[in-house]
Amino acid sequence: RKEVEQDPGPFNVPEGATVAFNCTYSNSASQSFFWYRQDCRKEPKLLMSVYSSGNEDGRFTAQLNRASQYISLLIRDSKLSDSATYLCVVFNDYKLSFGAGTTVTVRA
Amino acid sequence: DGGITQSPKYLFRKEGQNVTLSCEQNLNHDAMYWYRQDPGQGLRLIYYSQIVNDFQKGDIAEGYSVSREKKESFPLTVTSAQKNPTAFYLCASSEAGGRWTEAFFGQGTRLTVV
Repeated sequence: RKEVEQDPGPFNVPEGATVAFNCTYSNSASQSFFWYRQDCRKEPKLLMSVYSSGNEDGRFTAQLNRASQYISLLIRDSKLSDSATYLCVVFNDYKLSFGAGTTVTVRA
Repeated sequence: DGGITQSPKYLFRKEGQNVTLSCEQNLNHDAMYWYRQDPGQGLRLIYYSQIVNDFQKGDIAEGYSVSREKKESFPLTVTSAQKNPTAFYLCASSEAGGRWTEAFFGQGTRLTVV
Protein backbone atom coordinates (compact mmCIF):
# COMPACT_ATOMS: atom_id res chain seq x y z
CA ARG A 1 0.00 0.00 0.00
CA LYS A 2 1.34 3.44 -0.89
CA GLU A 3 2.08 5.75 1.99
CA VAL A 4 0.03 8.57 0.48
CA GLU A 5 -2.75 8.10 -2.07
CA GLN A 6 -4.69 10.70 -4.01
CA ASP A 7 -7.46 10.74 -6.55
CA PRO A 8 -5.54 11.69 -9.70
CA GLY A 9 -8.48 13.48 -11.29
CA PRO A 10 -8.48 15.31 -13.51
CA PHE A 11 -11.04 17.69 -12.11
CA ASN A 12 -12.24 19.97 -14.89
CA VAL A 13 -14.30 22.84 -13.46
CA PRO A 14 -15.63 26.20 -14.67
CA GLU A 15 -14.39 29.46 -13.22
CA GLY A 16 -16.17 30.30 -10.00
CA ALA A 17 -16.92 26.69 -9.12
CA THR A 18 -15.97 24.88 -5.94
CA VAL A 19 -13.80 21.80 -6.19
CA ALA A 20 -12.73 19.44 -3.43
CA PHE A 21 -10.59 16.34 -3.27
CA ASN A 22 -9.06 14.04 -0.70
CA CYS A 23 -5.87 12.27 0.12
CA THR A 24 -5.43 9.23 2.37
CA TYR A 25 -2.32 8.24 4.29
CA SER A 26 -1.35 4.84 5.65
CA ASN A 27 0.80 5.65 8.70
CA SER A 28 -1.38 6.52 11.68
CA ALA A 29 1.67 7.98 13.43
CA SER A 30 2.18 10.62 10.74
CA GLN A 31 3.02 13.91 12.36
CA SER A 32 2.22 16.70 9.97
CA PHE A 33 0.49 17.34 6.69
CA PHE A 34 0.71 19.76 3.81
CA TRP A 35 -0.69 20.62 0.41
CA TYR A 36 1.81 21.61 -2.28
CA ARG A 37 1.05 22.95 -5.71
CA GLN A 38 3.00 21.95 -8.82
CA ASP A 39 2.66 23.69 -12.15
CA CYS A 40 3.55 21.85 -15.34
CA ARG A 41 7.27 21.00 -15.48
CA LYS A 42 8.01 23.14 -12.45
CA GLU A 43 9.07 22.45 -8.89
CA PRO A 44 6.43 22.00 -6.14
CA LYS A 45 5.67 24.93 -3.86
CA LEU A 46 3.93 24.96 -0.50
CA LEU A 47 0.26 25.87 -0.72
CA MET A 48 -0.64 25.41 2.93
CA SER A 49 -0.04 23.35 6.03
CA VAL A 50 -2.94 21.30 7.37
CA TYR A 51 -3.76 21.61 11.05
CA SER A 52 -5.87 19.29 13.18
CA SER A 53 -8.61 21.86 13.61
CA GLY A 54 -8.74 22.64 9.90
CA ASN A 55 -7.56 25.88 8.39
CA GLU A 56 -8.29 28.37 5.65
CA ASP A 57 -6.09 30.48 3.48
CA GLY A 58 -8.22 32.76 1.34
CA ARG A 59 -10.21 30.57 -1.03
CA PHE A 60 -8.49 27.38 0.12
CA THR A 61 -9.67 25.23 3.02
CA ALA A 62 -7.82 22.21 4.34
CA GLN A 63 -9.17 19.59 6.71
CA LEU A 64 -7.54 16.71 8.55
CA ASN A 65 -9.38 13.62 9.78
CA ARG A 66 -6.97 11.57 11.87
CA ALA A 67 -9.52 8.88 12.71
CA SER A 68 -10.07 8.07 9.04
CA GLN A 69 -6.57 9.09 8.01
CA TYR A 70 -7.45 11.49 5.27
CA ILE A 71 -6.79 15.09 4.34
CA SER A 72 -8.94 17.24 2.12
CA LEU A 73 -8.52 20.41 0.12
CA LEU A 74 -11.39 22.62 -1.01
CA ILE A 75 -11.00 25.46 -3.47
CA ARG A 76 -13.82 28.03 -3.61
CA ASP A 77 -14.50 30.48 -6.42
CA SER A 78 -11.97 28.77 -8.72
CA LYS A 79 -9.72 30.96 -10.86
CA LEU A 80 -7.98 30.07 -14.10
CA SER A 81 -4.72 30.43 -12.19
CA ASP A 82 -5.72 27.58 -9.87
CA SER A 83 -5.08 25.11 -12.71
CA ALA A 84 -2.28 22.91 -11.43
CA THR A 85 -1.48 19.60 -9.80
CA TYR A 86 -2.04 19.52 -6.06
CA LEU A 87 0.25 17.26 -4.07
CA CYS A 88 -0.66 15.84 -0.68
CA VAL A 89 2.39 15.61 1.58
CA VAL A 90 2.81 13.74 4.86
CA PHE A 91 5.72 14.06 7.28
CA ASN A 92 6.85 11.15 9.45
CA ASP A 93 10.11 9.49 10.40
CA TYR A 94 12.04 12.62 9.45
CA LYS A 95 10.99 12.52 5.82
CA LEU A 96 8.34 13.99 3.55
CA SER A 97 6.22 11.57 1.49
CA PHE A 98 4.28 12.82 -1.52
CA GLY A 99 1.11 11.62 -3.15
CA ALA A 100 0.98 11.33 -6.93
CA GLY A 101 -1.08 14.51 -7.18
CA THR A 102 -4.57 15.61 -8.18
CA THR A 103 -4.84 17.57 -11.40
CA VAL A 104 -7.26 20.49 -11.48
CA THR A 105 -8.11 22.38 -14.65
CA VAL A 106 -10.24 25.51 -14.40
CA ARG A 107 -11.88 26.56 -17.67
CA ALA A 108 -13.20 29.95 -18.65
CA ASP B 1 18.63 35.96 -2.27
CA GLY B 2 18.32 32.73 -0.29
CA GLY B 3 17.35 29.64 -2.16
CA ILE B 4 18.19 26.21 -3.44
CA THR B 5 20.01 25.74 -6.73
CA GLN B 6 20.19 22.64 -8.87
CA SER B 7 22.46 22.18 -11.84
CA PRO B 8 22.45 21.43 -14.63
CA LYS B 9 18.87 22.03 -15.71
CA TYR B 10 19.14 19.42 -18.48
CA LEU B 11 21.53 16.49 -18.56
CA PHE B 12 22.09 13.77 -21.11
CA ARG B 13 23.78 10.56 -20.15
CA LYS B 14 25.03 7.70 -22.22
CA GLU B 15 24.18 4.23 -21.03
CA GLY B 16 26.79 2.89 -18.64
CA GLN B 17 27.93 6.32 -17.45
CA ASN B 18 27.73 7.75 -13.96
CA VAL B 19 26.51 11.33 -13.67
CA THR B 20 26.34 13.69 -10.71
CA LEU B 21 23.56 16.20 -10.11
CA SER B 22 24.39 19.22 -8.02
CA CYS B 23 22.22 20.68 -5.25
CA GLU B 24 23.30 23.71 -3.22
CA GLN B 25 21.30 25.71 -0.67
CA ASN B 26 22.08 28.91 1.21
CA LEU B 27 19.06 28.75 3.51
CA ASN B 28 21.08 27.27 6.38
CA HIS B 29 18.76 24.26 6.39
CA ASP B 30 19.84 21.06 8.09
CA ALA B 31 17.61 18.68 6.13
CA MET B 32 18.01 17.95 2.44
CA TYR B 33 16.17 15.54 0.15
CA TRP B 34 16.38 14.05 -3.33
CA TYR B 35 13.23 13.04 -5.20
CA ARG B 36 12.58 11.53 -8.57
CA GLN B 37 9.46 12.33 -10.60
CA ASP B 38 8.35 10.38 -13.65
CA PRO B 39 5.76 11.72 -16.10
CA GLY B 40 2.28 11.74 -14.59
CA GLN B 41 3.56 10.42 -11.29
CA GLY B 42 4.29 11.80 -7.88
CA LEU B 43 7.61 12.39 -6.19
CA ARG B 44 9.49 9.37 -4.92
CA LEU B 45 12.15 9.74 -2.26
CA ILE B 46 15.65 8.64 -3.22
CA TYR B 47 17.79 9.78 -0.27
CA TYR B 48 17.52 12.24 2.57
CA SER B 49 19.89 13.78 5.06
CA GLN B 50 19.08 15.43 8.39
CA ILE B 51 22.62 16.48 9.25
CA VAL B 52 26.09 16.77 7.76
CA ASN B 53 27.89 13.45 7.22
CA ASP B 54 24.70 11.45 7.68
CA PHE B 55 22.06 10.32 5.18
CA GLN B 56 19.42 7.63 4.81
CA LYS B 57 17.99 5.67 1.91
CA GLY B 58 14.54 6.56 0.75
CA ASP B 59 12.11 4.37 -1.12
CA ILE B 60 14.07 4.01 -4.37
CA ALA B 61 17.76 4.33 -3.45
CA GLU B 62 19.05 1.49 -5.63
CA GLY B 63 21.37 2.76 -8.35
CA TYR B 64 21.93 6.12 -6.64
CA SER B 65 24.49 7.47 -4.20
CA VAL B 66 24.82 10.71 -2.24
CA SER B 67 27.21 12.54 0.04
CA ARG B 68 26.73 15.28 2.64
CA GLU B 69 30.17 16.66 3.40
CA LYS B 70 28.92 20.24 3.76
CA LYS B 71 25.68 21.57 5.16
CA GLU B 72 24.88 23.49 2.00
CA SER B 73 25.58 20.73 -0.52
CA PHE B 74 23.90 17.38 -1.24
CA PRO B 75 25.01 15.98 -4.62
CA LEU B 76 23.32 12.96 -6.15
CA THR B 77 25.17 10.47 -8.35
CA VAL B 78 23.14 8.38 -10.75
CA THR B 79 25.20 5.27 -11.33
CA SER B 80 25.20 2.82 -14.22
CA ALA B 81 23.35 0.43 -11.92
CA GLN B 82 20.22 2.57 -12.24
CA LYS B 83 18.50 0.87 -15.16
CA ASN B 84 15.91 3.51 -15.94
CA PRO B 85 17.36 6.89 -14.94
CA THR B 86 15.43 9.12 -17.34
CA ALA B 87 13.33 11.34 -15.05
CA PHE B 88 12.92 14.74 -13.44
CA TYR B 89 15.10 15.02 -10.31
CA LEU B 90 14.18 17.44 -7.55
CA CYS B 91 16.25 18.48 -4.58
CA ALA B 92 14.64 20.03 -1.51
CA SER B 93 15.71 21.42 1.84
CA SER B 94 13.97 22.28 5.09
CA GLU B 95 14.79 23.25 8.65
CA ALA B 96 15.79 20.48 11.02
CA GLY B 97 13.22 17.70 11.07
CA GLY B 98 10.98 19.54 8.62
CA ARG B 99 7.97 18.76 10.73
CA TRP B 100 6.11 22.04 10.49
CA THR B 101 8.37 23.89 8.16
CA GLU B 102 8.18 24.45 4.47
CA ALA B 103 10.35 22.39 2.15
CA PHE B 104 11.92 24.49 -0.58
CA PHE B 105 12.66 22.91 -3.92
CA GLY B 106 15.24 23.61 -6.57
CA GLN B 107 14.09 24.00 -10.15
CA GLY B 108 15.01 20.42 -10.95
CA THR B 109 17.28 18.55 -13.34
CA ARG B 110 15.84 16.66 -16.32
CA LEU B 111 18.03 13.65 -16.97
CA THR B 112 17.76 11.77 -20.25
CA VAL B 113 19.60 8.64 -21.23
CA VAL B 114 20.68 8.67 -24.86
